[in-house]
Amino acid sequence: QVQLVQSGAEVKKPGSSVKVSCKASGGTFSSYAISWVRQAPGQGLEWMGGIIPIFGTANYAQKFQGRVTITADESTSTAYMELSSLRSEDTAVYYCARVAWFGELLYFDYWGQGTLVTVSS
Amino acid sequence: DIVMTQSPDSLAVSLGERATINCKSSQSVLYSSNNKNYLAWYQQKPGQPPKLLIYWASTRESGVPDRFSGSGSGTDFTLTISSLQAEDVAVYYCQQYYSTPLSTFGPGTKVDIK
Repeated sequence: QVQLVQSGAEVKKPGSSVKVSCKASGGTFSSYAISWVRQAPGQGLEWMGGIIPIFGTANYAQKFQGRVTITADESTSTAYMELSSLRSEDTAVYYCARVAWFGELLYFDYWGQGTLVTVSS
Repeated sequence: DIVMTQSPDSLAVSLGERATINCKSSQSVLYSSNNKNYLAWYQQKPGQPPKLLIYWASTRESGVPDRFSGSGSGTDFTLTISSLQAEDVAVYYCQQYYSTPLSTFGPGTKVDIK
């Protein structure tokens, strides 16, 4: 059974960076694709970007270009999402999700438990 | 970018009654080469991550009760809960993955018990 376990909650100052991890178990990590989705308090889901670890290349939503970096470490089956220049509007729960991948990135079939990032001075 | 909209924003349905949620994409998500609609539905209960219900617009994920069904093609889609149960209270999101690797979600529809 695929399981994605994320790192714990973070409190950050405006202007700083945060790095959230997502450790996968079950299945073969090299055959995964991982996306990151965030959800501000009381709001909907927002796709931020994703990566196919075996290729190592990431794609990002235009809104986050230049501020987000998604990486993956195959040796530890862990994906990372780093968001820089944090502002209060970045306060949200950040989810990683496994992307069903059959030659193309499809739907999100497994999700991590979420990591609350709070940006506050 | 493909923009997803949903209607209604919220609805309240009596237990055992039908709930219908609509999702519309700003452009077709039907891929002509394989005749598949690149559209998924998710359920999110309070304090939990989203859960995949439906993919390819109408294929139910393993373990999802058959009271959940998806339909539609092109730009207009529907999620139907045929007989609402108490455990179905949640927010439901549609998602397009046609513009893969980019993806977008609808704003969500909240379902409550009347």
